[in-house]
Amino acid sequence: DAKTTQPPSMDCAEGRAANLPCNHSTISGNEYVYWYRQIHSQGPQYIIHGLKNNETNEMASLIITEDRKSSTLILPHATLRDTAVYYCIVRVLSGNTPLVFGKGTRLSVIA
Amino acid sequence: DGGITQSPKYLFRKEGQNVTLSCEQNLNHDAMYWYRQDPGQGLRLIYYSQIVNDFQKGDIAEGYSVSREKKESFPLTVTSAQKNPTAFYLCASSLARGNNQPQHFGDGTRLSIL
Repeated sequence: DAKTTQPPSMDCAEGRAANLPCNHSTISGNEYVYWYRQIHSQGPQYIIHGLKNNETNEMASLIITEDRKSSTLILPHATLRDTAVYYCIVRVLSGNTPLVFGKGTRLSVIA
Repeated sequence: DGGITQSPKYLFRKEGQNVTLSCEQNLNHDAMYWYRQDPGQGLRLIYYSQIVNDFQKGDIAEGYSVSREKKESFPLTVTSAQKNPTAFYLCASSLARGNNQPQHFGDGTRLSIL
């Protein structure tokens, strides 16, 4: 079973920041938080991952709480092309272990 | 460009037939994976392979078979024993253990029963 809890859906106005929450209260000390997104009828796309420090790349920012029991993915200026299902996944830092997907959050960016 | 290629994009099968889905990667990744996705659901693991000539069952391996004869290729066969094969199938790959790299996914094969 997935070790994360996410809201099933969210809306965001185009151009505004999209903040997607994720709860992972049972996360272990050696587990990272990964975010993927899946645009309709495509394969999932890696966004970002982190252990305990906040991370930022060209796509998004990841904010992890100090107790590591929750995190937030931030898309700073959402566009219509960001409409997708976003998955939050916790896993050990090991490149060849399978991912365990939950149902994710369906983000709808509205013009 | 490097990436993962799944073919065909759409596949139709008659009941009782086996079909094989292709997955090829030119990323020099060690590990490869097959996932199944049903409408409105997350991905579920069918099989994965960490090295050539070795593979492990995932959560829903019944009715499926795989082979890993080459590093670049990880074909999935959906056998007649799989009673509900209609789904979206996704292949992924990643570098070896300890490497800080994510899984890369193909664009999937959508299988339907005629």
